[in-house]
Amino acid sequence: DGGITQSPKYLFRKEGQNVTLSCEQNLNHDAMYWYRQDPGQGLRLIYYSQIVNDFQKGDIAEGYSVSREKKESFPLTVTSAQKNPTAFYLCASSIEGQGYEQYFGPGTRLTVT
Amino acid sequence: SQQGEEDPQALSIQEGENATMNCSYKTSINNLQWYRQNSGRGLVHLILIRSNEREKHSGRLRVTLDTSKKSSSLLITASRAADTASYFCATVSGSARQLTFGSGTQLTVLP
Repeated sequence: DGGITQSPKYLFRKEGQNVTLSCEQNLNHDAMYWYRQDPGQGLRLIYYSQIVNDFQKGDIAEGYSVSREKKESFPLTVTSAQKNPTAFYLCASSIEGQGYEQYFGPGTRLTVT
Repeated sequence: SQQGEEDPQALSIQEGENATMNCSYKTSINNLQWYRQNSGRGLVHLILIRSNEREKHSGRLRVTLDTSKKSSSLLITASRAADTASYFCATVSGSARQLTFGSGTQLTVLP
């Protein structure tokens, strides 16, 4: 899982609550990404950030928010507006201009009931 | 949107056999990458092949790229039970600065 940490590994929340997933990297990478993975499926991009204090929406940004106040950190908030938040969330980082090979964290499995 | 589609969706082989997975994509690419994911874990980068390359090797892995057919294949030779995992292709296209992943092939290697 390289130098990227995600916490916690498992997270349980009640419907209607916001929840923030942590992602930290010590690889000195400029770019960071959040993906969602549903059972038996590929990864879908939620948000990405290429530089501190800047981020862009991915394919499925609705109901999610992010911040990038530090190069090392890219937390993801799953808001109550996200209709189906239960999923496996993966954070990744990459070096700009290096073909965008990505290094992934171990993931956080979020269950909302 | 998912650019790459892997084929087959699932593959089961005996230890020692070769495993071949295919990936097709829709638009022109800068590079194509293969990743591996063990169950419930993050993805691990395996190999990157650029659009001007046709074949690349890394240990027991061989990747080919056919840009005319918009397809790539990943060959794992002499498979081991530890190769059991999901394998994903991902592409970087045009000015996009992120990866677009396919839906993956679940490989099971039986001991």
